[in-house]
Amino acid sequence: AQTVTQSQPEMSVQEAETVTLSCTYDTSESDYYLFWYKQPPSRQMILVIRQEAYKQQNATENRFSVNFQKAAKSFSLKISDSQLGDAAMYFCAYRRQYSGGGADGLTFGKGTHLIIQP
Amino acid sequence: KAGVTQTPRYLIKTRGQQVTLSCSPISGHRSVSWYQQTPGQGLQFLFEYFSETQRNKGNFPGRFSGRQFSNSRSEMNVSTLELGDSALYLCASSLQGATTDTQYFGPGTRLTVL
Repeated sequence: AQTVTQSQPEMSVQEAETVTLSCTYDTSESDYYLFWYKQPPSRQMILVIRQEAYKQQNATENRFSVNFQKAAKSFSLKISDSQLGDAAMYFCAYRRQYSGGGADGLTFGKGTHLIIQP
Repeated sequence: KAGVTQTPRYLIKTRGQQVTLSCSPISGHRSVSWYQQTPGQGLQFLFEYFSETQRNKGNFPGRFSGRQFSNSRSEMNVSTLELGDSALYLCASSLQGATTDTQYFGPGTRLTVL
């Protein structure tokens, strides 16, 4: 079974600084997708960024980028120029690729609570 | 486009009762997945429906069931409620449920079992 581990229950960063959230995963599959989701106090999960395992190039979305190390099974999220609105729980998630359509449900880590200090 | 909607938003039940939660996906989305979120276990996948068929299921007891209607709306049912079923239940919709599809989450239903 796949597992996703987020070793930092809580992180704090000053506004405008850069912060990196860690995630490691365990799988025997070679084709899969990795995601970072954000859950603000409103509890609505929002997709931040995703990475296809077959792509070597790290995904970026504006101030958000990932460092994907497939051999190490590591998938960290870097947030640049942190803003107050970035404060939230961040979840790393894994999803196995199916060749014939459909997919497993997302397997989530326990989350990292990100605090932005003004 | 309207987002994923879930009703009710809050629910209080007592042990032994049953409950039905509803999820309306984004228009055009045919896949609906359900997740349970608790402080202890975190986010766990319950099941996924596509074209009125359960296509995938997580590791939950048979008390948890669901269905999907022809308009893609989905319901999940929990029978014989236990205190441990208190959780935030999230549903997510996507176009086809493929790995490449982005899952869009609803605001959740907060279930409290007394």
